[in-house]
Amino acid sequence: NAGVTQTPKFQVLKTGQSMTLQCAQDMNHEYMSWYRQDPGMGLRLIHYSVGAGITDQGEVPNGYNVSRSTTEDFPLRLLSAAPSQTSVYFCASSLPGTSNTGELFFGEGSRLTVL
Amino acid sequence: SQQGEEDPQALSIQEGENATMNCSYKTSINNLQWYRQNSGRGLVHLILIRSNEREKHSGRLRVTLDTSKKSSSLLITASRAADTASYFCATDAIGKDSSYKLIFGSGTRLLVRP
Repeated sequence: NAGVTQTPKFQVLKTGQSMTLQCAQDMNHEYMSWYRQDPGMGLRLIHYSVGAGITDQGEVPNGYNVSRSTTEDFPLRLLSAAPSQTSVYFCASSLPGTSNTGELFFGEGSRLTVL
Repeated sequence: SQQGEEDPQALSIQEGENATMNCSYKTSINNLQWYRQNSGRGLVHLILIRSNEREKHSGRLRVTLDTSKKSSSLLITASRAADTASYFCATDAIGKDSSYKLIFGSGTRLLVRP
């Protein structure tokens, strides 16, 4: 069972470039989310989704877009990368949709550097 | 923000001692969760406690929840060097259309010295 798979694991971008971080889960989870973690800090929620076709903003959504066309995939798009978006990005999923959050399963992270 | 705040930010103990971490939050919750993160890795779920529960155990872990004080504590008994990690509490918050999202605190870095 693969769980939550994030790609790429490492990425270096120049300011102004765009890119998509991929996240896929094979557990048929309704809930998926993206967090960023800056050095020595906790996780901040960027966007989340409680099912296909449904997304909502988290604590720090500016500069990021998401879509949820399938249950399995939840890509995170950086529209115009800025140095402030240098961070480690985590995708996480859980079984419940709207009723409660449940136990989150995390990917191994995508380390992004914006020069 | 409904973010939980952990205390202390860092904790250093000797192997075999107990480690206690605290989490405070701001608004009503349905459940509170604790996660562990080893350096450079993703988070791993440890335990979930619901708002109508006061205490929960899992192996060497003991979690308490006091909804009147909006606080929770995580106790790791008989610590081992392998327990060295960062520990985070997370609380649910209501988003759009009454859906729930999970908000994390800033974490406690635990160092267990052999």
